Amino acid sequence: GENVEQHPSTLSVQEGDSAVIKCTYSDSASNYFPWYKQELGKRPQLIIDIRSNVGEKKDQRIAVTLNKTAKHFSLHITETQPEDSAVYFCAALNSGGSNYKLTFGKGTLLTVNP
Amino acid sequence: GAGVSQSPSNKVTEKGKDVELRCDPISGHTALYWYRQSLGQGLEFLIYFQGNSAPDKSGLPSDRFSAERTGGSVSTLTIQRTQQEDSAVYLCASSLGPQTYEQYFGPGTRLTVT
Repeated sequence: GENVEQHPSTLSVQEGDSAVIKCTYSDSASNYFPWYKQELGKRPQLIIDIRSNVGEKKDQRIAVTLNKTAKHFSLHITETQPEDSAVYFCAALNSGGSNYKLTFGKGTLLTVNP
Repeated sequence: GAGVSQSPSNKVTEKGKDVELRCDPISGHTALYWYRQSLGQGLEFLIYFQGNSAPDKSGLPSDRFSAERTGGSVSTLTIQRTQQEDSAVYLCASSLGPQTYEQYFGPGTRLTVT
């Protein structure tokens, strides 16, 4: 089955700096890669996603890049703000499977220091 | 519109008791998913429903876990003879249909087994 590795597990940046979180996946048939932001005690929120026919997607201060050959994808947050502090999860999905399940990485705790 | 809702938000139960967790998906979403999030861990897939059918139940951790969905809407996850290792946050998600991929999460039920 699919395995998703996420790094780093914790990341601390100064306000205004950029943050990058990286994930690798094992199933070359995976074709959908979302990123979720989870604040303490809250539900995971879908913040951006990318499909395997696209190499990069951007939405204001966040962007995701995908390298299918290397089987890795990354989340980029620019001009970080304290409200970006949260746990970020990457995930992968193989729509050719029987259950459309998301396989998640173990998360990155991002702290943005004012 | 209203998002995914779950009840109860918190449940404390004694070891050996049965519990039922409820999920109300976003109206019109035909696909529904259950995940489990243990302390400090990522999200673990449990089961997926398309309509009232669950094509793959292999994610359920043991035969003490079962789930059903009726009327293509509300789903219940039942854990029989609860054990301490069942303590976790149980998250439900829904999507418009499996092929739309984007999954939106509910707030979760925090289950504590004492």
